[in-house]
Amino acid sequence: EAGVAQSPRYKIIEKRQSVAFWCNPISGHATLYWYQQILGQGPKLLIQFQNNGVVDDSQLPKDRFSAERLKGVDSTLKIQPAKLEDSAVYLCASSLRGWRGGRLSPDEQYFGPGTRLTVT
Amino acid sequence: DAKTTQPTSMDCAEGRAANLPCNHSTISGNEYVYWYRQIHSQGPQYIIHGLKNNETNEMASLIITEDRKSSTLILPHATLRDTAVYYCIVRVANGQNFVFGPGTRLSVLP
Repeated sequence: EAGVAQSPRYKIIEKRQSVAFWCNPISGHATLYWYQQILGQGPKLLIQFQNNGVVDDSQLPKDRFSAERLKGVDSTLKIQPAKLEDSAVYLCASSLRGWRGGRLSPDEQYFGPGTRLTVT
Repeated sequence: DAKTTQPTSMDCAEGRAANLPCNHSTISGNEYVYWYRQIHSQGPQYIIHGLKNNETNEMASLIITEDRKSSTLILPHATLRDTAVYYCIVRVANGQNFVFGPGTRLSVLP
């Protein structure tokens, strides 16, 4: 089974520029997550989609960050304009989050390799 | 904030068992314990999860205390490739917001 795909793997931009990241989740996974991981810290959830609807975006800086998941499959995360403190790895994850054996099963998340963003 | 406490770092000799502890004293009855690891320059990788019974899979074993206030992830025969940051997370099944703490940096030494 193919894993979560992300592109680009690396991006360097100047502050105040815009940037977009793309994610293709594992086929059939209804739930998609975007995380931000600053060097030396654990990943922090930015936004969670269930199909093409937003479930949780409470930690997304909405003045500069936006995300969409059209058709409930691929997703893009955009930053406009970028700030120096946005330098981080942006991780995409997906999960099945469904019924197994007649019971709602805890959802393990599968992560992509991430996009390393450097803002100069 | 993360609901778990883990040691910052640990060392383990190659071939020996690595035992990674996690404290989650405020865990609720419907919260699961999940373990992930992150190898350098890769995304986190799911290892195992459990509710109250001990669990084992091809990667590791998870031992949860009877009061569920702590757990231990066991890698039975650590290899150099197990060097990574290990995260312990508690969360309601299919709930929102997976909260990662700083994790434990495990170094497997030759």
